[in-house]
Amino acid sequence: RKEVEQDPGPFNVPEGATVAFNCTYSNSASQSFFWYRQDCRKEPKLLMSVYSSGNEDGRFTAQLNRASQYISLLIRDSKLSDSATYLCVVNGLGGGADGLTFGKGTHLIIQP
Amino acid sequence: DAGVIQSPRHEVTEMGQEVTLRCKPISGHNSLFWYRQTMMRGLELLIYFNNNVPIDDSGMPEDRFSAKMPNASFSTLKIQPSEPRDSAVYFCASSLRLAGYEQFFGPGTRLTVL
Repeated sequence: RKEVEQDPGPFNVPEGATVAFNCTYSNSASQSFFWYRQDCRKEPKLLMSVYSSGNEDGRFTAQLNRASQYISLLIRDSKLSDSATYLCVVNGLGGGADGLTFGKGTHLIIQP
Repeated sequence: DAGVIQSPRHEVTEMGQEVTLRCKPISGHNSLFWYRQTMMRGLELLIYFNNNVPIDDSGMPEDRFSAKMPNASFSTLKIQPSEPRDSAVYFCASSLRLAGYEQFFGPGTRLTVL
């Protein structure tokens, strides 16, 4: 079983729609969770951290479900500029290592 | 403040040659990470340092890869000898502290080994 698993997509979504995707992780002891965004041929950049209570930043909402070991990202009123790859990131899956483990990403395409 | 700086941005070399990638982390950041990204394998953590000390190099694919951090403002990743399967984008990232903090990525080095 992969450590961090995401649906690679692509998700083709019309502008203005709401889109959500999940990410599952294998290590129940994981403590830190993040969503990063990566534009084509660019470096990953932090989109938002994911807290146990869930958190919202403008049009973006992140949720953590520890019981089922997944995190989710919801984007409301999607815009063309939201087109990117969204990487799910979970902390140290190597027995306590503090490096982050990245999922392979979900490719999102917002269509006009 | 400048972000993470990597050089070169692009490197094309022939199989068997030595390749050295360089990284300057953000000033004041204590942790530095080297990643490799390919279409097939995604983003993989190769090695990371805390206060210039290598903490975990279990992601380094084989002995041909080595990394050093001689001081807080400079790190290198060396591949010797290089092979075509090493072709990838290599990212360096730094963070304020080791655990739970945002990692800031450099622009990456796109390596092609012919």
